[in-house]
Amino acid sequence: GAGVSQSPSNKVTEKGKDVELRCDPISGHTALYWYRQRLGQGLEFLIYFQGNSAPDKSGLPSDRFSAERTGESVSTLTIQRTQQEDSAVYLCASSLVDSNGIQYFGAGTRLSVL
Amino acid sequence: DQQVKQNSPSLSVQEGRISILNCDYTNSMFDYFLWYKKYPAEGPTFLISISSIKDKNEDGRFTVFLNKSAKHLSLHIVPSQPGDSAVYFCAASASGTYKYIFGTGTRLKVLA
Repeated sequence: GAGVSQSPSNKVTEKGKDVELRCDPISGHTALYWYRQRLGQGLEFLIYFQGNSAPDKSGLPSDRFSAERTGESVSTLTIQRTQQEDSAVYLCASSLVDSNGIQYFGAGTRLSVL
Repeated sequence: DQQVKQNSPSLSVQEGRISILNCDYTNSMFDYFLWYKKYPAEGPTFLISISSIKDKNEDGRFTVFLNKSAKHLSLHIVPSQPGDSAVYFCAASASGTYKYIFGTGTRLKVLA
């Protein structure tokens, strides 16, 4: 399909392991967001990419979290030395720059850290 | 500090009646607001938006009202349908920014 694709849809890992989450945005969308949604909480902004500009990493909760995006394509969110409090759904969204704020979300990756 | 609040975690409404979902914000710089709908195992999808230059925006069965003085917005769905059963998030941003602050969501259940 032509929507935002995230993989894996579910990930179970052991505390201390590293995980990598992938996001394929809609083709042509220059903006890409990562959010985290903990149980019973709203969407928490993590990081924003816009074209080739420096990303806004202000939402990353610790230095264990990092994200990359090559140009206007795939993005990966990496969590090193996972902790139980990292358990959440990680959502990716993409948009056109001039989109009146409308973001298109993937279905998310549900991460469970045991 | 939760800048966007949806104080009702859940709401049940009979089919055909009006559903009213509420959202409050604290940051007076916010001037653009969106509502998203989320079904289980899917990502949120855009529903309707409103700019602070308006106090109402309507799209079919969905109307969003903005009360700037009260820092309050509401989403009205009328008539409600079982397919409207979902979690609804409001989001807010300030002009010139790309960051959107989301509320915690309200789970709407429309009873047939």
